[in-house]
Amino acid sequence: GAVVSQHPSWVICKSGTSVKIECRSLDFQATTMFWYRQFPKQSLMLMATSNEGSKATYEQGVEKDKFLINHASLTLSTLTVTSAHPEDSSFYICSAGGPTSGDISTDTQYFGPGTRLTVL
Amino acid sequence: AQSVTQLDSHVSVSEGTPVLLRCNYSSSYSPSLFWYVQHPNKGLQLLLKYTSAATLVKGINGFEAEFKKSETSFHLTKPSAHMSDAAEYFCVVSGVNDMRFGAGTRLTVKP
Repeated sequence: GAVVSQHPSWVICKSGTSVKIECRSLDFQATTMFWYRQFPKQSLMLMATSNEGSKATYEQGVEKDKFLINHASLTLSTLTVTSAHPEDSSFYICSAGGPTSGDISTDTQYFGPGTRLTVL
Repeated sequence: AQSVTQLDSHVSVSEGTPVLLRCNYSSSYSPSLFWYVQHPNKGLQLLLKYTSAATLVKGINGFEAEFKKSETSFHLTKPSAHMSDAAEYFCVVSGVNDMRFGAGTRLTVKP
């Protein structure tokens, strides 16, 4: 159990367009999802925390109007990069945590495979 | 507030020799601690976690870590490195709806 998927796995877009990335928990309900950004050869930087049915909490320095997060259900969160620019090119990773169920515990996050965004 | 420091950005070992990846944490309460591994172009995989049970935690692929509260450390070890262990390793401290990653340690395994 505890599988998290992301779609798409990679995307190339033109500058000024918007891109939506989906994060799904496939076999458990995720009350909390995290969105991270990872630059080449660097660690993950937490962008925001979203709880199902409420507004996301953004980390300092992350533009909430640029990185729109929606967590409308217990199995799906989306990150929309609005008016993307080349500096937004990065590897975006989501993780999901859920209620205790078998081997899935609330204190463990399960990571998606990531989405590589390239903005031309 | 929580933070985690990985003391080595790069560790290089020979195949068959022990591995030690160092991690120190800071937390205002009893944290949960994790080690994740990231292979090139792959997603993060949980190696092991500590959640206030046994201080010596055994994980997958022969890795283990020991929680030492007095030293605020959670170092990752493996008795004998394998070529397939070459990857990026992240130490993570977690609280309620808060998860912080270390900068990562790149492990290189020489034949």
